[in-house]
Amino acid sequence: QVQLQESGPGLVKPSGTVSLICTVSGVSIRASKWWGWVRQPPGKGLEWIGEIYHSGSTNYNASLKSRLSMSVDKSKNQFSLELSSATAADTAVYYCTRDGGYAYGLDCWGQGILVTVSS
Amino acid sequence: QSVLTQPPSVSGAPGQRVTISCTWNSSNIGTTYDVHWYQQLPGTAPKLLIYGNTDRPSGVPDRFSGSKSGTSASLAITGLQVEDEGDYYCQSYGSSVSGWVFGGGTKLTVL
Repeated sequence: QVQLQESGPGLVKPSGTVSLICTVSGVSIRASKWWGWVRQPPGKGLEWIGEIYHSGSTNYNASLKSRLSMSVDKSKNQFSLELSSATAADTAVYYCTRDGGYAYGLDCWGQGILVTVSS
Repeated sequence: QSVLTQPPSVSGAPGQRVTISCTWNSSNIGTTYDVHWYQQLPGTAPKLLIYGNTDRPSGVPDRFSGSKSGTSASLAITGLQVEDEGDYYCQSYGSSVSGWVFGGGTKLTVL
């Protein structure tokens, strides 16, 4: 059974960096899948952030690309997100996801972690 | 404003049937890519409900069904239950943005 678990600071100062890790269990991150992030501001809808392949290839949401970085740690079966120059607009629940592909959607989600950007 | 357009809310009585639409412009989504649907119950993470326009993951009741035609898709829920209350999102691949795009979400209320 595949499980994803987000971890990281729940509070980030304005202009700081949102840094999150997703730990994958039940399957190797080397499996032929993309691993990504989706966020949801309080009371609002879902926004796709981006995704990474185990090789390190990435696809980013164009609106976040200039501030975004993702990486993979295969030895720990983890992948991570860094979103720099954070503002209050980045306050959201961040979910890590497994991408099953164009025909299969995001077939596995973490429980989510609330990140608040505030001084 | 989302690339995929959904009604903000729908409602129905227990046992009834409701549908949720998802529409888009052919210039930003086209007709090539599949549509997927997610269910988000209050206080929980989204869960894949329908993938590949019409298919249900293991464990999803057959009360939930999906369809797609041209530049629109629909999610139908029959035999509404109180526990179906929550938010429903459609998703597809946006060729114009080279990434996944979501609808704005539809809040289902079971009266």
